[in-house]
Amino acid sequence: DSGVTQTPKHLITATGQRVTLRCSPRSGDLSVYWYQQSLDQGLQFLIQYYNGEERAKGNILERFSAQQFPDLHSELNLSSLELGDSALYFCASSVGTINNNEQFFGPGTRLTVL
Amino acid sequence: QKEVEQDPGPLSVPEGAIVSLNCTYSNSAFQYFMWYRQYSRKGPELLMYTYSSGNKEDGRFTAQVDKSSKYISLFIRDSQPSDSATYLCAMRKAGNMLTFGGGTRLMVKP
Repeated sequence: DSGVTQTPKHLITATGQRVTLRCSPRSGDLSVYWYQQSLDQGLQFLIQYYNGEERAKGNILERFSAQQFPDLHSELNLSSLELGDSALYFCASSVGTINNNEQFFGPGTRLTVL
Repeated sequence: QKEVEQDPGPLSVPEGAIVSLNCTYSNSAFQYFMWYRQYSRKGPELLMYTYSSGNKEDGRFTAQVDKSSKYISLFIRDSQPSDSATYLCAMRKAGNMLTFGGGTRLMVKP
């Protein structure tokens, strides 16, 4: 158990809908990262937050957004969902924000878009 | 072409075998190299990370980096059925963004 929690475990929804995925980092970690894992694209970095502020952006679609709250939990919002958004979404956390090699991953949320 | 390439496998070996997992990369800006293990329906778990060219050992695991050839390897000695998982290499330039390989699925048969 990494100490990173994610809810829900599974999410099934329809195209065009909006969903929110939630992540709580390990105790003491200030950075939160979101990743998408699909069969064709593999594990891809989406976005990073550090202590409430956005720090880095990867291949995140404009339909997706995230935020980190004062209690350090983070939410990833996915809107106007498409079939291709079906994937595993992982949250990871680390202590710092600069040159940190140890990112601890949560168990993931499996999103199915029908 | 992807920045990080990894043979998807599956790789099937008998228990006790030495396993070699490999990744190649194209961008010389990658400075830090990691190996993650991912069991089915679980999140990736960090096994090792290294910075410099050469070998780093941790128990049955050895990570090897050859920056001149842009090639990294993970060796598993005395492989066990519990090592059956997908192994992901990951790399980082300056900053925190990780770039992952596609993963190699390993099966260790008793």
